[in-house]
Amino acid sequence: SYDLTQPLSVSVALGQTARITCGGNNIGGKNVHWYQQGPGQAPVVVIHRDTQRPSGIPERFSGSNSGNTATLTIRGVQVGDEAKYYCQVWDGSSWVFGGGTHLTVL
Amino acid sequence: EVQLVESGGGLAQPGGSLRLSCAASGFTFNSFEMDWVRQAPGKGLEWVSYISGSGSTIYYADSVKGRFTISRDNAKNSLYLQLNSLGAEDSATYYCVREGPTLFDHWGRGTLVTVSS
Repeated sequence: SYDLTQPLSVSVALGQTARITCGGNNIGGKNVHWYQQGPGQAPVVVIHRDTQRPSGIPERFSGSNSGNTATLTIRGVQVGDEAKYYCQVWDGSSWVFGGGTHLTVL
Repeated sequence: EVQLVESGGGLAQPGGSLRLSCAASGFTFNSFEMDWVRQAPGKGLEWVSYISGSGSTIYYADSVKGRFTISRDNAKNSLYLQLNSLGAEDSATYYCVREGPTLFDHWGRGTLVTVSS
């Protein structure tokens, strides 16, 4: 089975840039999707297909994917961005989620 | 407005069964692939199962293969998940999810399954 590795936590100062990574074997060859989950809430897609931002998601959110690492970047981090973030890929016959990264805004 | 409303969760004994349902509205149900995703308390997201719009293609996570069965009734705009041979590791909130243009674009609020004697 395909494994996705995310850091357990990332901390960033208010207004700075947060980068959350998602590692996987040749993940650059797959489409990566990112979800944000606030406490007690259902997940919301923030980036799909590596770099695409759904309507309603701020331009501060962006994604990249190359080699063995995909990255979700959040510029000008706000208090409301504090949440858990999950990456996701399709592995041919199954969806795979990363373990999730908790973003803390200092 | 797209709505997904899960039901059927509750307390089940180890080895027992439950049937989860998801009532969909606000979109043409048979045009969309659907999934079940679960989340154990305090844990991450785990994909459980996928079904195509027609129901002809189905996939399962290895952790539930042979125990869970996904199905849909497009005439009733409903998605189902039959859970058999339940174990403690199956305790989780189960989300009904629509696969749309932006992938998992709509999630229900979830239904809680607790497996305990």
